[in-house]
Amino acid sequence: RKEVEQDPGPFNVPEGATVAFNCTYSNSASQSFFWYRQDCRKEPKLLMSVYSSGNEDGRFTAQLNRASQYISLLIRDSKLSDSATYLCVVNYNRKLIWGLGTSLAVNP
Amino acid sequence: DGGITQSPKYLFRKEGQNVTLSCEQNLNHDAMYWYRQDPGQGLRLIYYSQIVNDFQKGDIAEGYSVSREKKESFPLTVTSAQKNPTAFYLCASSMGQGGSNEQFFGPGTRLTVL
Repeated sequence: RKEVEQDPGPFNVPEGATVAFNCTYSNSASQSFFWYRQDCRKEPKLLMSVYSSGNEDGRFTAQLNRASQYISLLIRDSKLSDSATYLCVVNYNRKLIWGLGTSLAVNP
Repeated sequence: DGGITQSPKYLFRKEGQNVTLSCEQNLNHDAMYWYRQDPGQGLRLIYYSQIVNDFQKGDIAEGYSVSREKKESFPLTVTSAQKNPTAFYLCASSMGQGGSNEQFFGPGTRLTVL
């Protein structure tokens, strides 16, 4: 089992839709969690950290479920500019473990 | 502006040549990292440095070398011993050590070995 797993997609959604991604991790002692977005041929950019109580930043909501060992990202009212690859990142044993990413395409 | 810079953006080299990729940050971050990204693969850690004059091997250090003589700078040398050097190289930095803090990335260097 991979340490961090994501559905690669692609997720194709119309503008205005709500879309959610999950990411599972294998190490129960993982300490911190992040979502990054990466545009084609660009560097990853931090989208948000994921806190135990869940957190929201505008149209984006991140949740952590330690019991089932997954984190989620919800995007409401999708925009064309949300089209990107979303990377799940888990800190385990003082090292960041990167998922392969979920590809999102928001269509007009 | 605070940030991380990498140069050059694109680099072409002949097989058998060593090449050094530059990474500079003015964020006053202690920790710096080098990753490579290949199509269809996640980021893989090459080397990291938590403090000046100290660095550790990541998961795929073979064929690479680094130095950390200054807090702001963490250059990566891709040596001729690296069997598949063509890749997208990303440098990152973070305030703290051990991956507990968010990492911020430079724009990357796309290396092609002919």
